[in-house]
Amino acid sequence: GNSVTQMEGPVTLSEEAFLTINCTYTATGYPSLFWYVQYPGEGLQLLLKATKADDKGSNKGFEATYRKETTSFHLEKGSVQVSDSAVYFCALSDLGGSTLGRLYFGRGTQLTVWP
Amino acid sequence: GAVVSQHPSRVICKSGTSVKIECRSLDFQATTMFWYRQFPKKSLMLMATSNEGSKATYEQGVEKDKFLINHASLTLSTLTVTSAHPEDSSFYICSAKAGGPNTEAFFGQGTRLTVV
Repeated sequence: GNSVTQMEGPVTLSEEAFLTINCTYTATGYPSLFWYVQYPGEGLQLLLKATKADDKGSNKGFEATYRKETTSFHLEKGSVQVSDSAVYFCALSDLGGSTLGRLYFGRGTQLTVWP
Repeated sequence: GAVVSQHPSRVICKSGTSVKIECRSLDFQATTMFWYRQFPKKSLMLMATSNEGSKATYEQGVEKDKFLINHASLTLSTLTVTSAHPEDSSFYICSAKAGGPNTEAFFGQGTRLTVV
């Protein structure tokens, strides 16, 4: 079946530190992979995505590379800011499934960045 | 990106009453809507998938008579929690898609339900 395993948090960093949030997946087909961000009191927003192996998604300084050989999609940012404090969710989309691209989510990682 | 509005953002109700949560796509026609439930420190769990004009498809273990989903139009889906109990307290999030599997899903801001 499809599932996503995400490193547990919380993650606490100082401003300008390097961020890595690990994400691995299992899938029956050829999924697309996503990172979503949830700021306090808000819904989920798409941060970046990759639709095939070796694709790199990037947005707002965040990057993640779709690694089929290691079934991973780790999120990285070279220099975090206080405004990056949020919960980050790794997800995959089952494009070949019968539910029209439903999303499977990891547990979420709480990131707190201190000034 | 497109906007999905979910209402209310917070609701407190008494045990035994029913609560309706609305999910609206404001600037696109949502052919498919998904309802998720988010438990504390856990992932979002898909409850059901609904397509406009047809019955919702529920995930295994989700009581369809308790969580009533109506997708009456291309811009509105509702989730009604019937005869709510404290264990139904949770964060409910909807998402909506305009097209097929390759189109992006946009999320509402979520509804915090507390049953007392």
